[in-house]
Amino acid sequence: GAGVSQSPSNKVTEKGKDVELRCDPISGHTALYWYRQSLGQGLEFLIYFQGNSAPDKSGLPSDRFSAERTGGSVSTLTIQRTQQEDSAVYLCASSSLGQGLGEQFFGPGTRLTVL
Amino acid sequence: EDKVVQSPLSLVVHEGDTVTLNCSYEVTNFRSLLWYKQEKKAPTFLFMLTSSGIEKKSGRLSSILDKKELSSILNITATQTGDSAIYLCAVLKGGSQGNLIFGKGTKLSVKP
Repeated sequence: GAGVSQSPSNKVTEKGKDVELRCDPISGHTALYWYRQSLGQGLEFLIYFQGNSAPDKSGLPSDRFSAERTGGSVSTLTIQRTQQEDSAVYLCASSSLGQGLGEQFFGPGTRLTVL
Repeated sequence: EDKVVQSPLSLVVHEGDTVTLNCSYEVTNFRSLLWYKQEKKAPTFLFMLTSSGIEKKSGRLSSILDKKELSSILNITATQTGDSAIYLCAVLKGGSQGNLIFGKGTKLSVKP
């Protein structure tokens, strides 16, 4: 009966390196969202997966960001050639219904620090 | 461009005070407005408001949506130190998108 889990909880990397962040949604939830929260900012939408449909990537800030969702469950957010401005907390959320019909349950987040 | 604006950005009160947090929005294809409480990293859900003028209540917290004014308020009565947190307002868009558009939050500090 676990909630949304994310790993790692903290990640420190050097500028220019690639990072992968993982999200395990609540079992049975068809919708999965990635957000990021920079210092002093509200949550910023990145990408939305709904079932087997093509993801809504409209929030990805650059082509260095990509995400996959394998088998309709686990999702990985990849940031290539990280920059210092990528430092933020990356939050994943899942929902039992798509199209914003259901409450989104958030994971604990991954704090990414790019040196 | 869609936007959600919260005010005040920060607030310091004493235990027992009543506070009102504001959220206004300009969003196309509005579906619902949600309030979250964020104490550490992950926000926790408080309320979802879809209909105008209907108050939702949970203990000392209550919230109401005004679709005419494109705004919502979150009230906390008899505040406690445990209410100290960032309160986030978010608007859910309808249509094919399921994403939330968040405000920057109101940081509430409740002093003993």
